[in-house]
Amino acid sequence: QVTLRESGPALVKPTQTLTLTCTFSGFSLSTSGMCVSWIRQPPGKALEWLARIDWDDDKYYSTSLKTRLTISKDTSKNQVVLTMTNMDPVDTATYYCARILSEDNWFDPWGQGTLVTVSS
Amino acid sequence: EIVLTQSPATLSLSPGERATLSCRASQSVSSYLAWYQQKPGQAPRLLIYDASNRATGIPARFSGSGSGTDFTLTISSLEPEDFAVYYCQQRSNWPLYTFGQGTKLEIK
Repeated sequence: QVTLRESGPALVKPTQTLTLTCTFSGFSLSTSGMCVSWIRQPPGKALEWLARIDWDDDKYYSTSLKTRLTISKDTSKNQVVLTMTNMDPVDTATYYCARILSEDNWFDPWGQGTLVTVSS
Repeated sequence: EIVLTQSPATLSLSPGERATLSCRASQSVSSYLAWYQQKPGQAPRLLIYDASNRATGIPARFSGSGSGTDFTLTISSLEPEDFAVYYCQQRSNWPLYTFGQGTKLEIK
């Protein structure tokens, strides 16, 4: 069974850097074709794709946020880390990680999400 | 960026009725479209992929159709647990994935 779980701070201040960790089980990011993405959802709003990392360490970022995002993986710990710099109140959202299979590119399954509030 | 526009924004129906949700893409995405269901306080769940294929464990009352720029999610007979928000998502120009703004399916 594939599961993912996000963790990180619930509250960050404006201009700070956010670091989120996705811890997963049921698959390995060293297996060909496995990928993990981050997606966020502001309260009451739609979903926005942020970043993706592949088994071969290829990385992809949202065009609008690429200067602020860094995605990395620790295969031995089954973890993917997302950092977002220069946080702003508009970045307040629930952040999800999800698995992707490179052969089909759909998000399945998703983690439960973690709500991050940006406020001074 | 491929923009996905969903309609209606809100759909009010009763259990047992048929629901038809629409997703229109700003340019052709071939059949590279998925539908997700999101219930309050929960993560989205994959329902339909490649426009018309049900994901594992998804009941047969859910069906998807369409190609190019116009897509439809149909729920043949609404169950109480189907009232939720539904999102479409394209992967035509991956990894620049985009989602629609969602359709809220509410109980009438």
